[in-house]
Amino acid sequence: DVKVTQSSRYLVKRTGEKVFLECVQDMDHENMFWYRQDPGLGLRLIYFSYDVKMKEKGDIPEGYSVSREKKERFSLILESASTNQTSMYLCASALSAGGNHEQYFGPGTRLTVT
Amino acid sequence: DQQVKQNSPSLSVQEGRISILNCDYTNSMFDYFLWYKKYPAEGPTFLISISSIKDKNEDGRFTVFLNKSAKHLSLHIVPSQPGDSAVYFCAASRSNFGNEKLTFGTGTRLTIIP
Repeated sequence: DVKVTQSSRYLVKRTGEKVFLECVQDMDHENMFWYRQDPGLGLRLIYFSYDVKMKEKGDIPEGYSVSREKKERFSLILESASTNQTSMYLCASALSAGGNHEQYFGPGTRLTVT
Repeated sequence: DQQVKQNSPSLSVQEGRISILNCDYTNSMFDYFLWYKKYPAEGPTFLISISSIKDKNEDGRFTVFLNKSAKHLSLHIVPSQPGDSAVYFCAASRSNFGNEKLTFGTGTRLTIIP
């Protein structure tokens, strides 16, 4: 059974703080993803990684960075949190980045920046 | 530029009836399409997919139809059950292009009325 876990379900941070969101998968998947979900905007890809230490920008990378030092762990970093980064953050993993392999999602982290 | 669109943000259907969720796309290079289902406070889970070489794929109560000429796909759920109440996202990919990512739609909230 594929499991993707995220370090926090709920997080409240202040504007300007550095924020780390952690994601761990146990299925030895090459690919990992960070999305944010906002009402009316669906799921938007922030960054993805197709191998250790490799990363590619998604559709909305501004204000974010990522780190993948180990295959099972993919971290999303908000260098200086802003109120417009208040959102639901979803991590996923998959055998491949494309549609021919389904993505498995974690439960999400609801981040509020005040 | 929203390449995958779900024009109905919400849909209410009587239990036992058919639910039809629609999705339109603009990128003719997309060749693999998926539907995901999301309950509140949980990550999305994969529901059903279809390759562009097919026009229909069925899995139990769920059927996905693809009309390539219209760049339109739909998800049929029959009969609808209360547990089907969730947000449904369609997604598309150019799966034959290495690390091509999924592009998600904005989602449709389905409510099944008992």
